[in-house]
Parts: sequence; C-alpha cells; structure tokens
Amino acid sequence: DQQVKQNSPSLSVQEGRISILNCDYTNSMFDYFLWYKKYPAEGPTFLISISSIKDKNEDGRFTVFLNKSAKHLSLHIVPSQPGDSAVYFCAASEEGNKLVFGAGTILRVKS
Amino acid sequence: EAGVTQSPTHLIKTRGQQATLRCSPISGHTSVYWYQQALGLGLQFLLWYDEGEERNRGNFPPRFSGRQFPNYSSELNVNALELEDSALYLCASSLGRLRSPLHFGNGTRLTVT
Repeated sequence: DQQVKQNSPSLSVQEGRISILNCDYTNSMFDYFLWYKKYPAEGPTFLISISSIKDKNEDGRFTVFLNKSAKHLSLHIVPSQPGDSAVYFCAASEEGNKLVFGAGTILRVKS
Repeated sequence: EAGVTQSPTHLIKTRGQQATLRCSPISGHTSVYWYQQALGLGLQFLLWYDEGEERNRGNFPPRFSGRQFPNYSSELNVNALELEDSALYLCASSLGRLRSPLHFGNGTRLTVT
C-alpha cells in the first residue's frame, strides 16, 4: 500500500523556468512532509520541509506547498538550474514516526 | 561537521551468506534509520533505532536485523542472503526530536550473486 505517491516518474524543464514536482498521500495522520534530492552514487539530501499547520514554506529557490484537503504537496523550483537535475523524493511522517518515501521523480533541467 | 558515514561502500556476497553493514551518525544525533533502495524502486523503511532501542521496523523478514551501540553508531545484519537483497542500503540519522529531518549517508551497495 503506497501511502506516498509521486505519479510522474520524470520531468524535463528548460533552464530558468519553473519546475513543479508533485506528491500525493493517503494517510490523513501525516503531519510532517519533506523533500529530498538525490544524485547518483550519493545519499538523499534534505531540501525543505513543512508541517501540517502551514500551507507554504520557502527557502531560496525552493518553495513547498501543502494542500491538506487534497492530500497533495508540491515543490516549486524557481528558477531551475542544470545542477538541479536529480531524483526528487517526497516523504511524510506521522507523529515523529518513520519517514515514508515516494518512488521519486527524475528532474532534468536542460540548458 | 562530518556527515553520516557508512561502510563498506560496496559489498559482494554469495547467496546464503551473511552481510554486515555499518553506520556512524552525525555527532549529536541519537536516532538511526535504515532504508533499502532496490533498483528502480523508492526508499523502503527497514529499521529505526533511538537511544539504543529499536523503535520501529518495516515490512521485512526477521533475517534483517540490527542494533545501535552506546555511541549511537549502528549495524545492519542480513542473514541467509537472497538474490533480491541486492540493493543500496542507506543509513540516516536525526536528532531524535519530533519533526527533525533525516540526514543520509551515501549508502552501501550490496550485491548478492
């Protein structure tokens, strides 16, 4: 049972444009959401997080939006850079419990 | 600040053997997590240790086990290796507080032949 779903296996964006990565979840008890970036041969790197009491969190070029009623979150990267090309994972947890990860979305930023 | 370190980087074993993977968390982190990433799949939760105790366990058979030492480092043991155990095993650490992000190591690539 996939509690966290990333339905787009890949996304291709032109350098300088906006990248939007999407994630859906089924467990309404999730209260903490995170995005990670992973390069080949490296472990995932924490990017940004949001708790369920907020609907938006910004950190530089990265913004995460949370829509609790739709059980949907998204990561916006503006402007996209070639170095952003990586696999992006969304993750969620309930009451400090284990993180549950989506399957990942491969982002390619073309220069 | 040193990140999460895992050893070995690569490990090749034969079916039926045992594998031991090691992880040193970031200094000050008390929680250690183990995840498996099989080829083409996402990260599957294996085990969570905090303050030396097993806090949670994923949907894996008992031949996957581990422990956390007093210095918070951790070991993952996989007994009776099967071909499908071939995967990247990732260790992560956190402060052990609610809503503190996990910080990952670069993983151990286990190949079972």
